[in-house]
Amino acid sequence: GAGVSQSPSNKVTEKGKDVELRCDPISGHTALYWYRQSLGQGLEFLIYFQGNSAPDKSGLPSDRFSAERTGGSVSTLTIQRTQQEDSAVYLCASSPIWKAGVYEQYFGPGTRLTVT
Amino acid sequence: RKEVEQDPGPFNVPEGATVAFNCTYSNSASQSFFWYRQDCRKEPKLLMSVYSSGNEDGRFTAQLNRASQYISLLIRDSKLSDSATYLCVVSLSSGYSTLTFGKGTMLLVSP
Repeated sequence: GAGVSQSPSNKVTEKGKDVELRCDPISGHTALYWYRQSLGQGLEFLIYFQGNSAPDKSGLPSDRFSAERTGGSVSTLTIQRTQQEDSAVYLCASSPIWKAGVYEQYFGPGTRLTVT
Repeated sequence: RKEVEQDPGPFNVPEGATVAFNCTYSNSASQSFFWYRQDCRKEPKLLMSVYSSGNEDGRFTAQLNRASQYISLLIRDSKLSDSATYLCVVSLSSGYSTLTFGKGTMLLVSP
């Protein structure tokens, strides 16, 4: 079946511009996560959506970052007034209903963001 | 102290070698443990979960020592296709939870 998809695959933007990154999770997956991976760094958690619950925004690095998930499916990560340090690969992941002993997050291919 | 620390890489090994990766985590409340694999410029993919009793999947063996807060991954009979970055990952719960990733250890298997 179809995996997690993200768009665009690459985005180059000028410092100060706003960008929107999109994630389409696997159909039926109730949990959706955003991470970013900077060069030479590990994956950094940004935000997590689970069903209709309030999202866990504890990983967002500043108030320039926001995300929403519409209809429990597609999610958009928005970065306002981009800075050069925002350059990274932004990865989206989704996971199905957890079953005892089985837990996996399925990652999309990521959006490579470059802020010039 | 970083939440999840891994051996710095890269590890360069010949085909057929056995290689071991080590990982330590700082939060003793961590409940779930995983190894993910990430190929160059690709997304991470789950390699295996790690259980307290230790578990094996073909050439791969994972161990967990909760007292030492230590996780390991052993790869036997390395293949060229094993070349990738191996990510140690922990979670604070056994259900839905965010994952905390180590920076990863790169493995290069040569002919």
